Amino acid sequence: KAGVTQTPRYLIKTRGQQVTLSCSPISGHRSVSWYQQTPGQGLQFLFEYFSETQRNKGNFPGRFSGRQFSNSRSEMNVSTLELGDSALYLCASSLTVGNQPQHFGDGTRLSIL
Amino acid sequence: SQELEQSPQSLIVQEGKNLTINCTSSKTLYGLYWYKQKYGEGLIFLMMLQKGGEEKSHEKITAKLDEKKQQSSLHITASQPSHAGIYLCGADKSSGSARQLTFGSGTQLTVLP
Repeated sequence: KAGVTQTPRYLIKTRGQQVTLSCSPISGHRSVSWYQQTPGQGLQFLFEYFSETQRNKGNFPGRFSGRQFSNSRSEMNVSTLELGDSALYLCASSLTVGNQPQHFGDGTRLSIL
Repeated sequence: SQELEQSPQSLIVQEGKNLTINCTSSKTLYGLYWYKQKYGEGLIFLMMLQKGGEEKSHEKITAKLDEKKQQSSLHITASQPSHAGIYLCGADKSSGSARQLTFGSGTQLTVLP
């Protein structure tokens, strides 16, 4: 069974640009969550999607947005990029919502110049 | 908000030695997850604990959740170089369906051959 797939693996952008990251969950998983990981702040929750609906959102500005498609694939968008957005963005999927394990992809490393 | 404190922050052990990593919460833990991460990569799910007093083992790794559900420990027996990496504990903020995992800052484990 294929794991969580994130594309691209690496991305370099400049300040002010926007970026879209993609995540394909494990087959059959319907919940997708996004996290940002930085050396200073650690791993922080961005948002969770289930059945194409955002169910929960972390404490991030509105420049961070996402969506989920009917096949459970998810995209995350960051607009007006800032230097502080440089991070490893991780996607995780689980069968459904609630207290159960999430399985993570290898992440997208975003660097802002 | 729920904070998770991990200790120690880093650990260097000789191959074959036992070690313990702790994760302490300021609030009741509804679901406690242990993950392992290699630098710049995704998180690998190790174990999930939900019930007070619960203990789970996988190969040489054992995780426990205390009776009050506010502390968990991860114990590695006879450590090997393959155990090296960053160990993260994560917890569900509530028992409901809308999840928002909070993570500790991680414990960097180095195993010397």
